[in-house]
Amino acid sequence: GDSVTQMEGPVTLSEEAFLTINCTYTATGYPSLFWYVQYPGEGLQLLLKATKADDKGSNKGFEATYRKETTSFHLEKGSVQVSDSAVYFCALSGNQFYFGTGTSLTVIP
Amino acid sequence: ETGVTQTPRHLVMGMTNKKSLKCEQHLGHNAMYWYKQSAKKPLELMFVYSLEERVENNSVPSRFSPECPNSSHLFLHLHTLQPEDSALYLCASSQDPNSPLHFGNGTRLTVT
Repeated sequence: GDSVTQMEGPVTLSEEAFLTINCTYTATGYPSLFWYVQYPGEGLQLLLKATKADDKGSNKGFEATYRKETTSFHLEKGSVQVSDSAVYFCALSGNQFYFGTGTSLTVIP
Repeated sequence: ETGVTQTPRHLVMGMTNKKSLKCEQHLGHNAMYWYKQSAKKPLELMFVYSLEERVENNSVPSRFSPECPNSSHLFLHLHTLQPEDSALYLCASSQDPNSPLHFGNGTRLTVT
């Protein structure tokens, strides 16, 4: 069945460091791919999405490219800020939404 | 005002209690969902309603009972829960089952 696997955390980075959070997926058909972010005490918020192969989703300096050949959708940001500290979830939509286990990111000043 | 509102934010209940979680969406969406979020586990889809009809029930124990009286409101009725049911319960909505989900802030449930 469909599934998403993302790198386990926690991840701790210094401010202005480069961020990569790996995500790979297994799916039948051609799903849409998403990154969601969860700040402390809140629900999940859509960060970015890509609906077909080679699409690049971007928002707030974050980017992810839908790579069909490697079944990946890695999240990247060139320079993280303290305010980016949160839990990040990779997800795909097939017959339903499938989420990864989440990766906790802490950015220290 | 957020698009999806959940109440209460926190709930502590004994195993013999009956309580209900409430969700309201102000986005005009047609589909609503209940998810369970536990530490170190992927989000678990519990129930899906599309146009007020239940379309998904992922083998959830009968001690959880959903209700969707209209397209804007969703309830989760709880009775005789177990301590392992303690978790964050998230409500979400979407325009249709393939569109992005919009989540509420969740209800943190503790079963004692």
